[in-house]
Amino acid sequence: KQEVTQIPAALSVPEGENLVLNCSFTDSAIYNLQWFRQDPGKGLTSLLLIQSSQREQTSGRLNASLDKSSGRSTLYIAASQPGDSATYLCAVIDNYGQNFVFGPGTRLSVLP
Amino acid sequence: DGGITQSPKYLFRKEGQNVTLSCEQNLNHDAMYWYRQDPGQGLRLIYYSQIVNDFQKGDIAEGYSVSREKKESFPLTVTSAQKNPTAFYLCASSNGGQGSYYGYTFGSGTRLTVV
Repeated sequence: KQEVTQIPAALSVPEGENLVLNCSFTDSAIYNLQWFRQDPGKGLTSLLLIQSSQREQTSGRLNASLDKSSGRSTLYIAASQPGDSATYLCAVIDNYGQNFVFGPGTRLSVLP
Repeated sequence: DGGITQSPKYLFRKEGQNVTLSCEQNLNHDAMYWYRQDPGQGLRLIYYSQIVNDFQKGDIAEGYSVSREKKESFPLTVTSAQKNPTAFYLCASSNGGQGSYYGYTFGSGTRLTVV
C-alpha cells in the first residue's frame, strides 16, 4: 500500500530565505504527483502537478522536482514571503490506483 | 469561472441526527471524491465516484453515504452511525479517468461540529 511522508512536519524561516520541502513515497510506480497549499480552515489549492514522465515543474517562485527511482519529490520555494505561510501537502497516485494518497503536510511559517 | 462549491461552510449536528453536505462542480469532471481531514492527520478518503450512478467506498466509509445522480453533484450524508463526525470535510473532482491525469481540484470545505 502506498504511503507518503513529508519532512519536516513544521518549518519556520525568516522572510527572503530559499527553502525546500520534502515528500517521500514508498511505491515508485506512480502515475503523477501533485503539490497543494492549504491555508487554515480553507480547501486545498493546487500548486504544481508533475506527470510520471516529467522531472520537474515550475510556477513563479515554486519549483517541484520528481525522482521516481528514489521515491522522492521536493518543492523549492525561492525568496519566501510571509504570504507563503500555509500547510503544503503532496499527493501521489500510482499506476494501479484510482485515487491520490496524501502526505500529512508541512506547516510553513515565514516570519517578516 | 469553473470550480467546486461546497455548502454549507459550517454545519452543526445534534447527536443521532443525519446531515448532508453539498458538493457541486461545473468543471465537467467525471470523477468526484470526499475526504475527511482531522487535526494532525492527513486527508482520508471516504467515498469516490468515477461516473454517474456509481460510487466506491474509500478507507473510512463507515457511517457515511453518498449518491451520484448527476455528473455535477456528489452529496455526502453523515449518518448517526458515524460516532465521531466532527471534522473538516473536503470535496474534490478530477478528469482523465484512472490516474487523474490532470490532478485534483478541491472545494473550500465544510466544517462539521457535533453539539
